[in-house]
Amino acid sequence: GAGVSQSPSNKVTEKGKDVELRCDPISGHTALYWYRQSLGQGLEFLIYFQGNSAPDKSGLPSDRFSAERTGGSVSTLTIQRTQQEDSAVYLCASSLRQGANTIYFGEGSWLTVV
Amino acid sequence: KQEVTQIPAALSVPEGENLVLNCSFTDSAIYNLQWFRQDPGKGLTSLLLIQSSQREQTSGRLNASLDKSSGRSTLYIAASQPGDSATYLCAAYSGAGSYQLTFGKGTKLSVIP
Repeated sequence: GAGVSQSPSNKVTEKGKDVELRCDPISGHTALYWYRQSLGQGLEFLIYFQGNSAPDKSGLPSDRFSAERTGGSVSTLTIQRTQQEDSAVYLCASSLRQGANTIYFGEGSWLTVV
Repeated sequence: KQEVTQIPAALSVPEGENLVLNCSFTDSAIYNLQWFRQDPGKGLTSLLLIQSSQREQTSGRLNASLDKSSGRSTLYIAASQPGDSATYLCAAYSGAGSYQLTFGKGTKLSVIP
């Protein structure tokens, strides 16, 4: 596609429920990143994919968070047993390859846990 | 661990003024540094990317400089316009096995007509 696409754009869920957030990177981009932006906070790195593998998962805040990428394209970020502190904007980004290139962000998935 | 700081947190200027946004980073061993713009409720838009071997990059009214030795980058905006109002973020990419960009908290710019 023309840009990084994320869905849903907005999600309100009850505490304790599981949520899945989807990211479609720009076609041909091998590197994919997930970041989280909480109100008034900076961007927090979550996980990075090169192809289908995740060399760096260091930012995942707990074992309730997981992510996968299939076919070197679409990625899904799953949050199990959501907590109120999980409320944030989850941003996906992609680049042609790791490091050297401009990174393109999607519009984000706004998650509210009530 | 890389830390990125942006000062000021907010800036308000009259239309037409030239301005400078500041970014500092603690680990000078960066691979590149990027400047982004974020409009309210939107994702980030890449403005400029400076490789570690470069001193500056220009795009239209924007000019970004990089001084690795002092751990600083600046974003210069010439002849500011109300449409430039947004939050500007800088991010350092450290490479060397670390695949994450480290972001500052941004400078919120308001250009007053």
